[in-house]
Amino acid sequence: DAGVTQSPTHLIKTRGQQVTLRCSPISGHKSVSWYQQVLGQGPQFIFQYYEKEERGRGNFPDRFSARQFPNYSSELNVNALLLGDSALYLCASSPTSGYNEQFFGPGTRLTVL
Amino acid sequence: QKEVEQDPGPLSVPEGAIVSLNCTYSNSAFQYFMWYRQYSRKGPELLMYTYSSGNKEDGRFTAQVDKSSKYISLFIRDSQPSDSATYLCAMRDAGGTSYGKLTFGQGTILTVHP
Repeated sequence: DAGVTQSPTHLIKTRGQQVTLRCSPISGHKSVSWYQQVLGQGPQFIFQYYEKEERGRGNFPDRFSARQFPNYSSELNVNALLLGDSALYLCASSPTSGYNEQFFGPGTRLTVL
Repeated sequence: QKEVEQDPGPLSVPEGAIVSLNCTYSNSAFQYFMWYRQYSRKGPELLMYTYSSGNKEDGRFTAQVDKSSKYISLFIRDSQPSDSATYLCAMRDAGGTSYGKLTFGQGTILTVHP
């Protein structure tokens, strides 16, 4: 079975621009979470979605938003990019009943210049 | 103070050594504890998870949780060069408003040399 897929792999943007990152969960998984991983740090929770509803939000500004589609894929949007938004953005999916098993995709590396 | 503290290392051991990786935490609401392995420029890979206190073994890996001390460990026996990676501990509070939120440590960089 295919794992979690994310696109694009790499992205270079300039300050002030907007970016959309995409994630497709493992088939059958209905929950998707987004994390930001700055170089040298552990991932930080941004959002969780389950059945198209937001189930959790981390300590990130309103410039960050997300949504989940009927096919359970998800998008993360970041507006008004700052240099500090440069990071690896990870998507994780989990089975309906088990948030302890979160399976991560390879991530999208965002560089803001 | 961070909720989860993890020594970033780096840790360098010879092949065949027993490796001990540790995390401490401050939030007593954490009930589920995970260990992830992350290779360079890849996403984290779930190794194992445990609930509450106790031990769990999976092949060469053993996870221990001591909730009274707020301390968790991962032991790797007979370490191999392919175990060279960053190891991340993660924890989850079963209650609250963010059911699936994982709180991660900083990660420990491990190198196993032949």
